[in-house]
Amino acid sequence: NAGVTQTPKFRILKIGQSMTLQCAQDMNHNYMYWYRQDPGMGLKLIYYSVGAGITDKGEVPNGYNVSRSTTEDFPLRLELAAPSQTSVYFCASSYGGAREKLFFGSGTQLSVL
Amino acid sequence: GENVEQHPSTLSVQEGDSAVIKCTYSDSASNYFPWYKQELGKRPQLIIDIRSNVGEKKDQRIAVTLNKTAKHFSLHITETQPEDSAVYFCAALRTNSGGYQKVTFGTGTKLQVIP
Repeated sequence: NAGVTQTPKFRILKIGQSMTLQCAQDMNHNYMYWYRQDPGMGLKLIYYSVGAGITDKGEVPNGYNVSRSTTEDFPLRLELAAPSQTSVYFCASSYGGAREKLFFGSGTQLSVL
Repeated sequence: GENVEQHPSTLSVQEGDSAVIKCTYSDSASNYFPWYKQELGKRPQLIIDIRSNVGEKKDQRIAVTLNKTAKHFSLHITETQPEDSAVYFCAALRTNSGGYQKVTFGTGTKLQVIP
């Protein structure tokens, strides 16, 4: 049982490039989330999903896209990367219902130069 | 939407002293309030949580209190130790009319325990 797995751990992008951050969980969780954490700041919700085929925007969705074709995977797509997207990205999952505990991945540190 | 405010942003205490971190939330429909601890360079991990039908919960040196009327909740750490040094996040969860759960985090408190 690996929990929540994120790849890559580090990435440097040039302005205008695109990339996909991968997130997978093996706990059969319904809910999956993407957060970004800027230096010295809290966690801002980008997108979340309540199950395969269902996604919704969080607080800061601009510049990102997500999909949830399976229960296990929840990739985050960055199109036309900008310096403002330099951040640490955390994927998280939870079962939902009365089991709200979030399990976080180890994070992806992204720099856009 | 929900707004969670957290204070203080930084907190330094002497080893053995107590630490208190406070959060307020705006949405009275929020019904679950977890606290996460994030050590430097690590992922956040749940340390304690409380539901809206409970006023206080304790787990060894950590306790959380909830005042639903005032819409605030607090984390209390007693007999602090150097390994308590970390960033602590409060959060509030609500379930919307569609049955979907949404978690909103506070901005975090950096706790430093001085040996």
